Amino acid sequence: ETGVTQTPRHLVMGMTNKKSLKCEQHLGHNAMYWYKQSAKKPLELMFVYSLEERVENNSVPSRFSPECPNSSHLFLHLHTLQPEDSALYLCASSQVRQGFGELFFGEGSRLTVL
Amino acid sequence: GQQVMQIPQYQHVQEGEDFTTYCNSSTTLSNIQWYKQRPGGHPVFLIQLVKSGEVKKQKRLTFQFGEAKKNSSLHITATQTTDVGTYFCAGGTALIFGKGTTLSVSS
Repeated sequence: ETGVTQTPRHLVMGMTNKKSLKCEQHLGHNAMYWYKQSAKKPLELMFVYSLEERVENNSVPSRFSPECPNSSHLFLHLHTLQPEDSALYLCASSQVRQGFGELFFGEGSRLTVL
Repeated sequence: GQQVMQIPQYQHVQEGEDFTTYCNSSTTLSNIQWYKQRPGGHPVFLIQLVKSGEVKKQKRLTFQFGEAKKNSSLHITATQTTDVGTYFCAGGTALIFGKGTTLSVSS
């Protein structure tokens, strides 16, 4: 139990589907993040939210749409994805915005796009 | 953009041997963090180094931050099968992650 819960753990979707990934943190942290982990690539930071405000968007395609309704919940809405978007999507939280705060990761959502 | 390079990419050792992974940056880092990801798992924070030349130990693990704050290393003494996994460094205020070093251990 990491204090950061992600659902679903596994998701298979077609390129025309719309789905969402959900993340919930029970640690009282102020910052939440979405990372993408592909084989043989470094962890890629996608989005950062600090106190519910998006503070970073690392040139992520618009087919990925984040939502942070409150400091405990983070969503990643997916639509018209491509097969190369298949990856492990990791949510993380930290007490302070990244840099000097320890990241607590969820167990990830394994996405397969057919 | 800023990059953090990690070597080696893979390392296989016999149980009881030592293991070291290195992390290098072209720019000075304000801090560096290390994470471990077990197979099928998620990254778990190990430690953060902030000061130039800093050395920290956690049981069999020794972490170093270079004097110039551009490199770091993680050394494991007498590896055990429980050490298997991928070790990532992440540096700077933007926490740029390296590609990781995957350690396998045979008994």
